[in-house]
Amino acid sequence: GAGVSQSPSNKVTEKGKDVELRCDPISGHTALYWYRQSLGQGLEFLIYFQGNSAPDKSGLPSDRFSAERTGGSVSTLTIQRTQQEDSAVYLCASSPLQTTLGYEQYFGPGTRLTVT
Amino acid sequence: GNSVTQMEGPVTLSEEAFLTINCTYTATGYPSLFWYVQYPGEGLQLLLKATKADDKGSNKGFEATYRKETTSFHLEKGSVQVSDSAVYFCALDSNYQLIWGAGTKLIIKP
Repeated sequence: GAGVSQSPSNKVTEKGKDVELRCDPISGHTALYWYRQSLGQGLEFLIYFQGNSAPDKSGLPSDRFSAERTGGSVSTLTIQRTQQEDSAVYLCASSPLQTTLGYEQYFGPGTRLTVT
Repeated sequence: GNSVTQMEGPVTLSEEAFLTINCTYTATGYPSLFWYVQYPGEGLQLLLKATKADDKGSNKGFEATYRKETTSFHLEKGSVQVSDSAVYFCALDSNYQLIWGAGTKLIIKP
């Protein structure tokens, strides 16, 4: 079946511009995660959606970052007034249930964001 | 808070060598533990997992045992291949999040 897809695969933007990154999770997965992976670093948690519950935004690094998930499926991560330190690979993952139950997270290929 | 520490890379080995990538964790309770792998140009994918103490996860010749007494989940493989070259991440679940190690790049030379 189809895996997690993300678009665009690459995005180059000028400092100060807004960007939107899209994630299509695996159909039926209730949990959706956004992570950021900087060069040579591990994954940094950004935000988590579970079903219709309020999202956990505790990992968002600043108020320039926001995310929404429409209809419990597609999610969009928005970065306003981009800065050079926002350059990273943004990864989306989905899971059928919470990871605490031992279910794996399925990752998309990521969006490489470069802010010039 | 919960954390994961894994050995720094890169780790360079010859084909057919024995591999160990160390992973230790700090956590309250009994989290599930995971190894994910990221092959060049590909997305992250689950390699193996263990959900309780003394469990052994295994896949593709890789193994890791959940050791609560040493808070470790070391990744091992008896004979590595060039195709195992990738970045390996250790992770634990903390509520609904995964807490990640920094990743270990593995380079296998023919």
